[in-house]
Amino acid sequence: AQKITQTQPGMFVQEKEAVTLDCTYDTSDQSYGLFWYKQPSSGEMIFLIYQGSYDEQNATEGRYSLNFQKARKSANLVISASQLGDSAMYFCAMREGPVMKTSYDKVIFGPGTSLSVIP
Amino acid sequence: NAGVTQTPKFQVLKTGQSMTLQCAQDMNHNSMYWYRQDPGMGLRLIYYSASEGTTDKGEVPNGYNVSRLNKREFSLRLESAAPSQTSVYFCASSEDGFNYGYTFGSGTRLTVV
Repeated sequence: AQKITQTQPGMFVQEKEAVTLDCTYDTSDQSYGLFWYKQPSSGEMIFLIYQGSYDEQNATEGRYSLNFQKARKSANLVISASQLGDSAMYFCAMREGPVMKTSYDKVIFGPGTSLSVIP
Repeated sequence: NAGVTQTPKFQVLKTGQSMTLQCAQDMNHNSMYWYRQDPGMGLRLIYYSASEGTTDKGEVPNGYNVSRLNKREFSLRLESAAPSQTSVYFCASSEDGFNYGYTFGSGTRLTVV
């Protein structure tokens, strides 16, 4: 069964430092996508970054990068040069396989990691 | 701005009352979803719609009904609200395929007293 594990319920990082948020996933599919979402205290869900299972290079989006280790089934989010505005919940998510008429694919979310950036 | 519009943002209901949460997207997405988010439970899928005219149960469908009115709109109805349905509700939509994530609405904070 699909599963996303985020083992760090809470993390602290000093402003301007880099931080890694861990995510491991479990799937038997060869085709899947991995996503990270940010949820600030205001509550909205903000898409950060995407990594496809066939992508050979790690995804990057500005200060966000995804450390993708396929054999270990891990997809850690790295935030460089942390800012106070990075304080939020971060969710790792996965979506499996190609869409087929007789099956349905949906996004599975991990439990989240709460990140606090310290001035 | 293109996206997912979800209403209302806040709602307080008395036990037994009914209400409908509205959701509309203007991105021409086939798939739409309703999730609830509870502390320590993450996001749990209530219902989804893979295309106009189809709906299916997710992980926690009891106490809810949905309607995919057209390609744009996907509503969630609580027929007889219970305190256990106090939660934050998110509507989302997506393109089809594993390489597409969700676009979320802004959420509805529902309290049932």
